[in-house]
Amino acid sequence: GENVEQHPSTLSVQEGDSAVIKCTYSDSASNYFPWYKQELGKRPQLIIDIRSNVGEKKDQRIAVTLNKTAKHFSLHITETQPEDSAVYFCAASPMFSGGYNKLIFGAGTRLAVHP
Amino acid sequence: KAGVTQTPRYLIKTRGQQVTLSCSPISGHRSVSWYQQTPGQGLQFLFEYFSETQRNKGNFPGRFSGRQFSNSRSEMNVSTLELGDSALYLCASSLASGTSGQQYFGPGTRLTVT
Repeated sequence: GENVEQHPSTLSVQEGDSAVIKCTYSDSASNYFPWYKQELGKRPQLIIDIRSNVGEKKDQRIAVTLNKTAKHFSLHITETQPEDSAVYFCAASPMFSGGYNKLIFGAGTRLAVHP
Repeated sequence: KAGVTQTPRYLIKTRGQQVTLSCSPISGHRSVSWYQQTPGQGLQFLFEYFSETQRNKGNFPGRFSGRQFSNSRSEMNVSTLELGDSALYLCASSLASGTSGQQYFGPGTRLTVT
């Protein structure tokens, strides 16, 4: 079935360090991969996304890479700041179920950035 | 533009009752998806509506249903509530129509079933 695995479940870094979160998806026809940040008590916020025809995308301190052959994608945050502390979710949009706006989410990574 | 809004924000219901949640998408967005978020199961897809038609459905029992109106506002209904239905229910709207696109979430409705 459709599945997205996300690692690690928790990540603790010092301010200024880099953080990397990795996800693996099962549906090889998935074509859209967003990342969401959810702060405590708030809604998930889209921070970056990538489509299957692109290998890498950057937006300031955030970058996402996609390896279609291995069916995995990663979120990279550089120069982390305390306000980056949150739960990060990866997601994939499977095609076998009709695609469209259906997202399968990973279990989340709780990132803590210590000053 | 105003963001996605959901009402009510909090609900307390008793087992066996039914509940209706509402979602108003970003202006111009015709796709609305619903997700259930729990600590144990994470974020799970319920269903998606586009132009008043359900295009996708997740693996939830028939007690969970939804609809969309001509102004793109959407409602979801849960009948015969169970304790396990306690969760944060999130809706997300998207401008994308023919393929997956950026989805923007509302603040959610926190449902507690006692």
